[in-house]
This record gives sequence, C-alpha cells and structure tokens, in this order.
Amino acid sequence: SQTIHQWPATLVQPVGSPLSLECTVEGTSNPNLYWYRQAAGRGLQLLFYSVGIGQISSEVPQNLSASRPQDRQFILSSKKLLLSDSGFYLCAWNWGVTEAFFGQGTRLTVV
Amino acid sequence: GQQVMQIPQYQHVQEGEDFTTYCNSSTTLSNIQWYKQRPGGHPVFLIQLVKSGEVKKQKRLTFQFGEAKKNSSLHITATQTTDVGTYFCASSGNTGKLIFGQGTTLQVKP
Repeated sequence: SQTIHQWPATLVQPVGSPLSLECTVEGTSNPNLYWYRQAAGRGLQLLFYSVGIGQISSEVPQNLSASRPQDRQFILSSKKLLLSDSGFYLCAWNWGVTEAFFGQGTRLTVV
Repeated sequence: GQQVMQIPQYQHVQEGEDFTTYCNSSTTLSNIQWYKQRPGGHPVFLIQLVKSGEVKKQKRLTFQFGEAKKNSSLHITATQTTDVGTYFCASSGNTGKLIFGQGTTLQVKP
C-alpha cells in the first residue's frame, strides 16, 4: 500500500533562517506531488506542483522554492524565512485526476 | 486559471440540524472531489464525482454534481458532533493539478 511521510511535525524557526521540509512517498511510482500551505483557519493554497523528477510548477510568487530530486521525494525550501511564511504546510500525492493523499503536515512558526 | 469558490466560510449548527456547503466554478469542471479536515489534522478524501447530475450518498452525507458540471454541494443530514471540521471541494481540471476551494468550517453545538 502507499504511504506518505512528511517531517518534521512542528518547527519553530527565527526570521531569516533557512528552511527545508521533506516529503517522501512509498509504494507508488510517478506520482503527482504537491505542496500546499494553510494559514490558520483558512483554505489550502497550492504552492508547488510536480508531475516528475525536476519538473516543478510554481503557483504563487513567494519566498519559497521546491525540488524533486527523486521520483518519490519532494522538498520545500527557503533561504531566508519571513514572518509571513508561518503556517501549516501539507504535502500530498495523487495519480492523474484521482484523489489526493496528504501527509500529516508541518506546523511552521517563524518568530 | 481554474478556480473553485466555496460558501459559506463558516457554519454553526445545533446538533441534529442539517448542513450544506456549496462549490461553484465559472468554468466546466471535469471532476469534483470532497475532503474533510478534522481540527489539527490533514484533509482526508471523501468522494469524487465525475458525471453531470451525479448524486452519491455516504450514510448521512449526500454529494451532488450539477448538470452543467459547474457546481457541487455536500449536504449532511442531522449533524453530529463528529461532523465537526472543515469541508473542502477540489477539482483537478484537465491538467491534473488539484485546486481546492476555500473550505467551509462546520461547528456543531451539542
């Protein structure tokens, strides 16, 4: 069966520090991979979307970047965090137009 | 780009009352998916609709896809405290990229 791992679960980082969040999927190949951000009490904002290794679609201009070095690995990064980067970050995967499966999420607080 | 608008943003109901959330798009949707996110949790898939006018039921939940495939609704009959959470609609469009509505947060008073 397929599983998705996302870590860490919580993170407190100072303004200006770098960020690296990792997401890996097991038990599948060639998944679509997504990074979403959810501000407190708000909806899911699509940040990055990937259909394959090295193929990243950036949805919103921002302080973040994403990479997909391997088929089942998706990394969200920032060189210098801003206060506005705080939020709940969710990684997800699906195939084609099927349902998406989400990781447990990372709650990031930038202080 | 593709957008799905969802209303209302919040809904407070008394336990036993019904609840409905609506999802609308200005363009024809190839499919509509519904997810539930419990407080502090991650979204969990509920159902997918793909056919015009499709209606599906899961116990007390009824999902509809409009005839023109531009709108959808989720109706919960006789809400329970376990129904608390945020309900999202989403659509993958023709590109496969999954876009979510803003969500409706349901509070149920016992």
